[in-house]
Amino acid sequence: SAVISQKPSRDICQRGTSLTIQCQVDSQVTMMFWYRQQPGQSLTLIATANQGSEATYESGFVIDKFPISRPNLTFSTLTVSNMSPEDSSIYLCSVTDGYSYEQYFGPGTRLTVT
Amino acid sequence: AQKITQTQPGMFVQEKEAVTLDCTYDTSDQSYGLFWYKQPSSGEMIFLIYQGSYDEQNATEGRYSLNFQKARKSANLVISASQLGDSAMYFCAMREGMGDDMRFGAGTRLTVKP
Repeated sequence: SAVISQKPSRDICQRGTSLTIQCQVDSQVTMMFWYRQQPGQSLTLIATANQGSEATYESGFVIDKFPISRPNLTFSTLTVSNMSPEDSSIYLCSVTDGYSYEQYFGPGTRLTVT
Repeated sequence: AQKITQTQPGMFVQEKEAVTLDCTYDTSDQSYGLFWYKQPSSGEMIFLIYQGSYDEQNATEGRYSLNFQKARKSANLVISASQLGDSAMYFCAMREGMGDDMRFGAGTRLTVKP
């Protein structure tokens, strides 16, 4: 199994600012995913981040708003840009090893935008 | 189109009783994986149980079992001997391929009554 850490665990930010969330995995993984969970809602995939290529964004999410970096096989960042209160959510990093169906989740970053 | 359907927004169960949380899915793939996660108020996603589409036996993990009915495309979670600590959101999820992301149902909020 993979152990995932995220920083920060929570933050309160002012509208119009940006926040970068870090995701660190204790082993090399092929695929990393970023999910958003708005209050009282299910998880929605933002994008898939593969090392060495541009992230693939889901419908409704754009790179200018959620730029993602994946510099190596154990690390990724998600930036939430020009934040508004609607961005208040839990952001979760998730990984797979590409060889099984198992998917592991980080502890999440709880973001509140005021 | 919604691929994972959880029709029970909320469920109540008496402590020490068993409860079934419903999940149906839609896929044309022959190979896929089905998952259940528990999300307490802290926000972390706790993996509970996994069922592979080719697994002939229903998966079990301690007090959790998955009632897998492939022809009906259902993957219900059964929790036996409910405990107060089981009160949480429960999400059903599916991955259609090892290279694909995981998609989630809307979730069911389970409340265990003393």
